[in-house]
Amino acid sequence: GAVVSQHPSRVICKSGTSVKIECRSLDFQATTMFWYRQFPKQSLMLMATSNEGSKATYEQGVEKDKFLINHASLTLSTLTVTSAHPEDSSFYICSARGGLALPYEQYFGPGTRLTVT
Amino acid sequence: KNQVEQSPQSLIILEGKNCTLQCNYTVSPFSNLRWYKQDTGRGPVSLTIMTFSENTKSNGRYTATLDADTKQSSLHITASQLSDSASYICVVSRTSGTYKYIFGTGTRLKVLA
Repeated sequence: GAVVSQHPSRVICKSGTSVKIECRSLDFQATTMFWYRQFPKQSLMLMATSNEGSKATYEQGVEKDKFLINHASLTLSTLTVTSAHPEDSSFYICSARGGLALPYEQYFGPGTRLTVT
Repeated sequence: KNQVEQSPQSLIILEGKNCTLQCNYTVSPFSNLRWYKQDTGRGPVSLTIMTFSENTKSNGRYTATLDADTKQSSLHITASQLSDSASYICVVSRTSGTYKYIFGTGTRLKVLA
């Protein structure tokens, strides 16, 4: 149980365009979803936390207008990188938390590799 | 400051050998400590989770230990396999404030044939 999927797994886009990444909890309702960014040979860095139906809370230094997060349902959150630039190229990972049985457990998605050319 | 530090940064061992990865943390108040395995280009997968009262926990060839007094944890891998090549991340959670994971910097393990 507790599977989280991400789509797409890889995406290449041109500088200046926007790209949307989806994160889905497949077999549980995720009351909270987290978005992380990971640069090569570094650990995960939390970008934002989103609770279903409310605005996301962004970490310091993360531009909320550039990284739009929507958590419209208990099984889906999306991250949209707007006006992407090469420096936004990174590995984006989501995680989901929820369920009465394990309210503090986060389940991670497989990640999305974004390359901006 | 709430921090999690891991050592070594990277490690190369031969297949079949054992190894131990270290994690020191200054997170307070402590809730639990997790070890994750992250294959290249994949999301982290949980190996073990330990609360304050647990000293050791095993998952197959992986054995994690926790010393809450010294705020240290270790992950011991027995009879390593090529598939163990990955990054191992120590994650500590706090009990107060916003419940967040605090990630360690990770140890990159490479197992050679």
